[in-house]
Amino acid sequence: ETGVTQTPRHLVMGMTNKKSLKCEQHLGHNAMYWYKQSAKKPLELMFVYSLEERVENNSVPSRFSPECPNSSHLFLHLHTLQPEDSALYLCASSQDGRDEQFFGPGTRLTVL
Amino acid sequence: KQEVTQIPAALSVPEGENLVLNCSFTDSAIYNLQWFRQDPGKGLTSLLLIQSSQREQTSGRLNASLDKSSGRSTLYIAASQPGDSATYLCAVRCFTGGGNKLTFGTGTQLKVEL
Repeated sequence: ETGVTQTPRHLVMGMTNKKSLKCEQHLGHNAMYWYKQSAKKPLELMFVYSLEERVENNSVPSRFSPECPNSSHLFLHLHTLQPEDSALYLCASSQDGRDEQFFGPGTRLTVL
Repeated sequence: KQEVTQIPAALSVPEGENLVLNCSFTDSAIYNLQWFRQDPGKGLTSLLLIQSSQREQTSGRLNASLDKSSGRSTLYIAASQPGDSATYLCAVRCFTGGGNKLTFGTGTQLKVEL
């Protein structure tokens, strides 16, 4: 595997479900990011992790809970989501906080 | 608060035409600017990265320019091909706290027709 991978690619869940999105980077980077892309809106940064430490939480509701167990893996735990949370969730990584970001293919999330 | 605007929102051109996509940003205190391509339902592919000290970057048929003082960047695509059809996103990188923050525009949806 090369680059940034995300699983699952598609996810449909009810508002009472609990699910997790997974991101893995194979680039040796030390910073990872979660973004949300809704229709007709710019990508929104959700969380930034640098050296496995969260350095930014962009006013994201607590029903989204990130986890970065090591520099290669990033999770986004989801619970009690709302239909308006339906979007494409993109993960990215970079060598450090200033460098070019490389994106994964995204997880298309639908909340019923 | 940084805001990024891309014009036009959508563009349709015949194959072979040269075209220019525009990006403007409100705060000129940026670290760098990045152009991405996004195919429908897919992730982002980085095309070009221009540091704040640079004026332009080139990769194949793509040329991106940056005028930081006026808050503008352009992406020039030469001899467009149907395979260039995608959404093109511009993003500026500003420092915030301990990390870096990419602020994105809403993109230009390009269609190159045969």
